[in-house]
Amino acid sequence: DAGITQSPRHKVTETGTPVTLRCHQTENHRYMYWYRQDPGHGLRLIHYSYGVKDTDKGEVSDGYSVSRSKTEDFLLTLESATSSQTSVYFCAMKGGPGTGEENEQYFGPGTRLTVT
Amino acid sequence: QKEVEQDPGPLSVPEGAIVSLNCTYSNSAFQYFMWYRQYSRKGPELLMYTYSSGNKEDGRFTAQVDKSSKYISLFIRDSQPSDSATYLCAMSAGANSKLTFGKGITLSVRP
Repeated sequence: DAGITQSPRHKVTETGTPVTLRCHQTENHRYMYWYRQDPGHGLRLIHYSYGVKDTDKGEVSDGYSVSRSKTEDFLLTLESATSSQTSVYFCAMKGGPGTGEENEQYFGPGTRLTVT
Repeated sequence: QKEVEQDPGPLSVPEGAIVSLNCTYSNSAFQYFMWYRQYSRKGPELLMYTYSSGNKEDGRFTAQVDKSSKYISLFIRDSQPSDSATYLCAMSAGANSKLTFGKGITLSVRP
């Protein structure tokens, strides 16, 4: 999986609880992304990071926050999970300018989250 | 109009068929074009990557970009049951730009 892992791979949680998903990469890539994938919507960007402590919102960021304290780790937190956040979450990474991989994103295996 | 449109499918073909998957887009700034393959319950896997217009071939797969028509295609020759997956197109304007994805089309290759 191109040196990118996600944990947990599956999680069931109750409405109103906080949830944190972890993405870990071993490629020293600068850019990291969190997407959710839902039937009929495809992949939608939640948040992304362009460096340690540098993050920005994507198109569906409400109810989510992220943190990146180290190059290799990008955390996604659902502050108070709702049923509408039941989804499959994918993390992705991309090399920065000059790496030869400026445009290609590589994805992790996904986390299947169910909010009951 | 959505930035990237992809035929919704699903698509079912017999083994050995030539498959054509297509996406259209509206943003003329897009220069980098990708095709991802996603098997069931797996993450998207980068299959083909092209820059600007032209063709790129890799084994049984050919990616084609026509920027004048804002149209990209992925051709699969001699399709195999192992090609059964969801195929997503994706594109960006440059290294500092986000990827914009099509919604994906599910392909089934019948033995």
